[in-house]
Amino acid sequence: QSALTQPASVSGSPGQSITISCTGTSSDVGSYNLVSWYQQHPGKAPKLMIYEVSKRPSGVSNRFSGSKSGNTASLTISGLQAEDEADYYCCSYAGSSTFAYVFGTGTKVTVL
Amino acid sequence: EVQLVESGGGLVKPGRSLRLSCTASGFTFGDYAMSWFRQAPGKGLEWVGFIRSKAYGGTTEYAASVKGRFTISRDDSKSIAYLQMNSLKTEDTAVYYCTRRGQRITIFGVVITEAFDIWGQGTMVTVSS
Repeated sequence: QSALTQPASVSGSPGQSITISCTGTSSDVGSYNLVSWYQQHPGKAPKLMIYEVSKRPSGVSNRFSGSKSGNTASLTISGLQAEDEADYYCCSYAGSSTFAYVFGTGTKVTVL
Repeated sequence: EVQLVESGGGLVKPGRSLRLSCTASGFTFGDYAMSWFRQAPGKGLEWVGFIRSKAYGGTTEYAASVKGRFTISRDDSKSIAYLQMNSLKTEDTAVYYCTRRGQRITIFGVVITEAFDIWGQGTMVTVSS
């Protein structure tokens, strides 16, 4: 399984919206509505932000939203805030034949 | 409070073994699949493997990179998941995270979300001579 492709970095000013893409294949992102997104601050454990493409866990700000089109999933952060500065990883279930979860390469979000 | 706490990390020589533990609290441990992930220094996240709940057979799945060397088990009576790591290699050096695989209740029953909703703080494993 190859890693999902994310941009290395995305930046924005406070209040702006940014979108992080996550490109996979028809074997993972394209086949299942089972994409999740994780936020990781330096030295901390990842935190689930989005699951099943677009659902938010309880307690996650509605400024975070997810979507998918074909083999590409996206995470949008609206109303960017300083505390959103972190690394973000997408993850996709990759099937039960050769069971696996595939992660994205990670995106560093910088709040200017 | 729902919590996962890993322990057992440390420095180990190549070829040796190490067992990590993950102690859960704040939820019914036996109802959930538990998974392990790792993150090498300065690198991204990698799924290691998981163990299903007893309701789903308690079976395990592993990433190709660790299959045959790592074994995940669970003790529901103690709310602990284990990661037994054998034949360790320098490339196994990483922070290891224990996680809970998410699920939600619908009118049709339990739906597995294939997302990992609770993470431990991680434990560092260094494989070096």
